Amino acid sequence: DAKTTQPNSMESNEEEPVHLPCNHSTISGTDYIHWYRQLPSQGPEYVIHGLTSNVNNRMASLAIAEDRKSSTLILHRATLRDAAVYYCIRSGNTPLVFGKGTRLSVIA
Amino acid sequence: DVKVTQSSRYLVKRTGEKVFLECVQDMDHENMFWYRQDPGLGLRLIYFSYDVKMKEKGDIPEGYSVSREKKERFSLILESASTNQTSMYLCASRLGPAPNEKLFFGSGTQLSVL
Repeated sequence: DAKTTQPNSMESNEEEPVHLPCNHSTISGTDYIHWYRQLPSQGPEYVIHGLTSNVNNRMASLAIAEDRKSSTLILHRATLRDAAVYYCIRSGNTPLVFGKGTRLSVIA
Repeated sequence: DVKVTQSSRYLVKRTGEKVFLECVQDMDHENMFWYRQDPGLGLRLIYFSYDVKMKEKGDIPEGYSVSREKKERFSLILESASTNQTSMYLCASRLGPAPNEKLFFGSGTQLSVL
């Protein structure tokens, strides 16, 4: 049970912003929200994580709803190299459970 | 940067063989994990270890065992390989069990059992 819900796939044009949604309506107060992505033929890599406040790093931004039941990963300008499967995960004190993620396609 | 190294990128084995998949991390991480990834099924947790000589079953442990004799090394063992164990195997590690700790993955081993 991944405990998060994401769209199966999304498409974006190159150079455009991308908003990847995630629903985690049963999240507990101490669970963090993590995002990972998996490029073709590679293992997943960490993107960003947060608890309550919005977070920014060099890869992306994470916007967390006030009630914490959903979050959005924001890629500010999609490039072809951002084409990957993006996983949204609830992180508590147990091993991370990965769902099927969202496959992002970027069109030149 | 943390490096998680899996010993083989591609592996071909025969049914019934004993198979060892090795994983080494270089950042003194306490926790290590083995996942398998199959098309349409996402990543599924096989086994994990929170410390040396400790091991816990994940969601799909049947047909697998693990060994963690040293902190940096976590081995996945297929006692008698079967064709339904053909899959991509991913090893991961993290510093500790706190929910804000990041997970670091290896590049994966694509195992084919013929």
